Amino acid sequence: DADVTQTPRNRITKTGKRIMLECSQTKGHDRMYWYRQDPGLGLRLIYYSFDVKDINKGEISDGYSVSRQAQAKFSLSLESAIPNQTALYFCATADRGYNQPQHFGDGTRLSIL
Amino acid sequence: AQKVTQAQTEISVVEKEDVTLDCVYETRDTTYYLFWYKQPPSGELVFLIRRNSFDEQNEISGRYSWNFQKSTSSFNFTITASQVVDSAVYFCALSEDSAGGTSYGKLTFGQGTILTVHP
Repeated sequence: DADVTQTPRNRITKTGKRIMLECSQTKGHDRMYWYRQDPGLGLRLIYYSFDVKDINKGEISDGYSVSRQAQAKFSLSLESAIPNQTALYFCATADRGYNQPQHFGDGTRLSIL
Repeated sequence: AQKVTQAQTEISVVEKEDVTLDCVYETRDTTYYLFWYKQPPSGELVFLIRRNSFDEQNEISGRYSWNFQKSTSSFNFTITASQVVDSAVYFCALSEDSAGGTSYGKLTFGQGTILTVHP
């Protein structure tokens, strides 16, 4: 089983719908992150969390919200999806310690029509 | 603000050629970390290497080698004797220290370089 699991793997939905992307991990890491990947732009940070009580906005948080339900679970929501949120979304985790490598899930491909 | 530039959008080589992927970064901090990740066609991101700003020694791991030069703010990645399985998108990323020494480990990624190795 994957250490960092994202669900769903693929989702097609319509403009205006509420979407939730889920991430769970078995690595026991405190730190969790959500990124989106767009062609030619690399990955950009949406939100990050150091523990259940710690949520921080990243570079491109507008239009998104998150919930850290437990140490192992970090969900990303699009309250009212719009077409320019079509992208590949990645969840990542990292261990405590200084600048530990991040470990990524397999990604969720989201298309908004 | 920190920035990572991978000027090579796409590179195409024939198997067994050597190839170098360029990465140039900008940061105001004296303490920072640099990373390389590989994204094969299957889509997952695979961690390759982490280098801190105080360690300028080059590193070699099998056919992979990394050249870190603070004087030119570069952290280049070379694949020797490339193979078809090396075909992927490669990302360079930067993580800075923050005030007070607390680091959230936030990564700033470059745009990525698409490497295609032909048989």
